[in-house]
Amino acid sequence: GAVVSQHPSWVICKSGTSVKIECRSLDFQATTMFWYRQFPKQSLMLMATSNEGSKATYEQGVEKDKFLINHASLTLSTLTVTSAHPEDSSFYICSAILGGAITDTQYFGPGTRLTVL
Amino acid sequence: AQKITQTQPGMFVQEKEAVTLDCTYDTSDQSYGLFWYKQPSSGEMIFLIYQGSYDEQNATEGRYSLNFQKARKSANLVISASQLGDSAMYFCAMREGRSGFQKLVFGTGTRLLVSP
Repeated sequence: GAVVSQHPSWVICKSGTSVKIECRSLDFQATTMFWYRQFPKQSLMLMATSNEGSKATYEQGVEKDKFLINHASLTLSTLTVTSAHPEDSSFYICSAILGGAITDTQYFGPGTRLTVL
Repeated sequence: AQKITQTQPGMFVQEKEAVTLDCTYDTSDQSYGLFWYKQPSSGEMIFLIYQGSYDEQNATEGRYSLNFQKARKSANLVISASQLGDSAMYFCAMREGRSGFQKLVFGTGTRLLVSP
């Protein structure tokens, strides 16, 4: 299957700082990338969908100014958690998709574990 | 209403036995896709198998097969000959034909534990 990478794999930061997480599709050009967060023992919750060169579409209840998404190229999307607080501590996972057909598989990155002290 | 329902929070199976993980879905779309993903303790989501709503045959991928019953709106995952490495969380997910940008909706997951 296709490979999606995330960096960093884990990060610990102080409350009030901003954290940037990168998501890259390594062997294909992704038309769309998705950002999820997952709390312990829970399912994945979609935060936003982004297409290269356009603004991200955020799910209801997700603060746009808090979670900044930039999709600069067909292989790179970044999620910046601005002014992070302990409640933002979570597992953030991105995924990428090549096409727009219903059959196209979403390939997931390995995730980034964020801990805000 | 929940789009994807996984009623089994946890399942136990002995090595080499088969196990079925349940998944039911709710949609009014005629065109949709159903996916199963495995999430080991390391956290990555591993794609296992896909079933399209128009597929007449049940999907199979190695030891994984999907028992697709369209009228009942169920898409159960069957793992044959379980291995210790199959211990993980398993998520069922659906993509609806009319949803923008092909987003997936996930169920709450089932934790599978394979014992020796």
